[in-house]
Amino acid sequence: GAGVSQSPSNKVTEKGKDVELRCDPISGHTALYWYRQRLGQGLEFLIYFQGNSAPDKSGLPSDRFSAERTGESVSTLTIQRTQQEDSAVYLCASSLELAGGDTQYFGPGTRLTVL
Amino acid sequence: QKEVEQNSGPLSVPEGAIASLNCTYSDRGSQSFFWYRQYSGKSPELIMFIYSNGDKEDGRFTAQLNKASQYVSLLIRDSQPSDSATYLCAVISAGGFKTIFGAGTRLFVKA
Repeated sequence: GAGVSQSPSNKVTEKGKDVELRCDPISGHTALYWYRQRLGQGLEFLIYFQGNSAPDKSGLPSDRFSAERTGESVSTLTIQRTQQEDSAVYLCASSLELAGGDTQYFGPGTRLTVL
Repeated sequence: QKEVEQNSGPLSVPEGAIASLNCTYSDRGSQSFFWYRQYSGKSPELIMFIYSNGDKEDGRFTAQLNKASQYVSLLIRDSQPSDSATYLCAVISAGGFKTIFGAGTRLFVKA
């Protein structure tokens, strides 16, 4: 079936605006992850979902960031009052189960630019 | 100390040589270890995973894990220019499902 998809692929916004990033996981994958990757840097873990539950939100950088997931389907990452330091590629990944060793399949990412 | 550390490189090797990529981690209880490859402007893709001490081979790739020393490495034999990419080491934290990535090592394979 199709892989992980993310939308939009690119988003340019003005400082202070809110943005919503969307992730469609692989069908049947119960686990979903969000990461942030700044230019030239590694992946920064943000949050994971098991079904629609997010047991660990400690990776979210600030209270301007929130995420939700509908069942075992679409997830949205919302950034309120965006700041320039939020500029990055936001990657979503899904895996079949939330097992410690399950392979994560990544989407193409959303490149966010905050002016 | 970073939770997962990698030499940022770049590591440059000639075509046909062995490329050796190293990674150390701080959480002694970590159980699962992964190597991802990321081409410029693309998303990471899984190369290998390893759970047990020792070596695991898959084609030209060999992952090595030493839990006592808290390091994991990736060897690429017969390196090709198409192997030029950033290689990310990832570790699943003990008792949880949080995946911690290293900053990655850039590899250049010269033709």
